[in-house]
Amino acid sequence: DAGITQSPRHKVTETGTPVTLRCHQTENHRYMYWYRQDPGHGLRLIHYSYGVKDTDKGEVSDGYSVSRSKTEDFLLTLESATSSQTSVYFCAISGGQTVLTFGAGSRLTVL
Amino acid sequence: DQQVKQNSPSLSVQEGRISILNCDYTNSMFDYFLWYKKYPAEGPTFLISISSIKDKNEDGRFTVFLNKSAKHLSLHIVPSQPGDSAVYFCAASRTRSGGGADGLTFGKGTHLIIQP
Repeated sequence: DAGITQSPRHKVTETGTPVTLRCHQTENHRYMYWYRQDPGHGLRLIHYSYGVKDTDKGEVSDGYSVSRSKTEDFLLTLESATSSQTSVYFCAISGGQTVLTFGAGSRLTVL
Repeated sequence: DQQVKQNSPSLSVQEGRISILNCDYTNSMFDYFLWYKKYPAEGPTFLISISSIKDKNEDGRFTVFLNKSAKHLSLHIVPSQPGDSAVYFCAASRTRSGGGADGLTFGKGTHLIIQP
């Protein structure tokens, strides 16, 4: 695998609790992305980063925030999780080319 | 409004035959197209891509065709093998004038089932 690690891989939480998903890369790539995958929706972009402390919103950013304090780490935070945020979350990286390399995913269940 | 559309949620093909997966797009600013393959419980993996300046790109058993006037692309797999059973996502991007990479826009995916 390309050097992308997502943690945790599985998480079950309750509505209203905060959740943070971590994406760690060892490729020193500039660009990092968070997507969510849901049945009937494919993959949708939540947020992305084009450098340390440089982030921007994607298609479905409401209810999510991100931070990137180091090149290798990109954090996705759900401040107050809702059942609609039950999903599989994928991190992806890119060195600037169009091809994205994806992590293995983090499955989040919000009860 | 969905900018990348895969209208077939699933497709069943016999082993050894040709699999053809279709994708349509609406945004004329897209200039690069990709196909990703995804197995259950794994992340999507890049399969093949094509630039808008080309109409065909081939890599082994996989060929992608692009028809810009129809805003349509297709992925051909010949011959189909059992290991090809997976979900296939079509994706598109556009070149930003200032450079950078603001991500890919994906279709909903097509579940390809190769039958023995």
